[in-house]
Amino acid sequence: EIVLTQSPDFQSVTPKEKVTITCRASQSIGDTLHWYQQKPDQSPKLLIKYASQSISGVPSRFSGSGSGTLFTLTINSLEAEDAAMYYCHQSSSLPFTFGGGTKVEIK
Amino acid sequence: EAQLVESGGGLVPPGGSLRLSCAASGFTLSGSGMNWVRQAPGKGLEWVSYISSGSNTIYYADSVRGRFTISKDNARNSVFLQMNGLRAEDTAVYYCARSPGTNWFDPWGQGTLVIVSS
Repeated sequence: EIVLTQSPDFQSVTPKEKVTITCRASQSIGDTLHWYQQKPDQSPKLLIKYASQSISGVPSRFSGSGSGTLFTLTINSLEAEDAAMYYCHQSSSLPFTFGGGTKVEIK
Repeated sequence: EAQLVESGGGLVPPGGSLRLSCAASGFTLSGSGMNWVRQAPGKGLEWVSYISSGSNTIYYADSVRGRFTISKDNARNSVFLQMNGLRAEDTAVYYCARSPGTNWFDPWGQGTLVIVSS
């Protein structure tokens, strides 16, 4: 099973700051890494697919990068509405797995 | 707009059964792979099961294999999760989610809560 380790677990950030979340895979997964945002009492929402591909309707301040075992989700100029949990997910091999999540709080 | 609506959750005793449904609108299931993903209270996401567009490929997480069965009814544009032999650790919100092949999940339904308790 491929283990995805996210860091940090928690980040408290002021508006307009830049946020960087890392997801490390226990083995190489190419670019089969996707990012989701989950706000309180809501279902997850796809932010980035295939490590760096943007999703229609998602604000351009969200971007992804990486390949192999190390991936990054970046939120440029954080807004109050970005307070949420963020999860990475790999679809390289079964079982599909998720990272433990990163909670982003607005100061 | 593609949408998914789950139903069928509830309170069930250990060892009991439950059948979850997921109704799709805005797209046809005959052209989509579908997944069930669960989230225990206050915890992260756990993939549970996948069924391909043609229902000829099915996968399960080890934690549910042999107890859960995924199926799809293209005529009703719905996917199902039959859950037998339920355990306390199956308590979670269950989401259905579409995936192109076995890739990213989008969209997700709003979820249905399953509580396994006596």
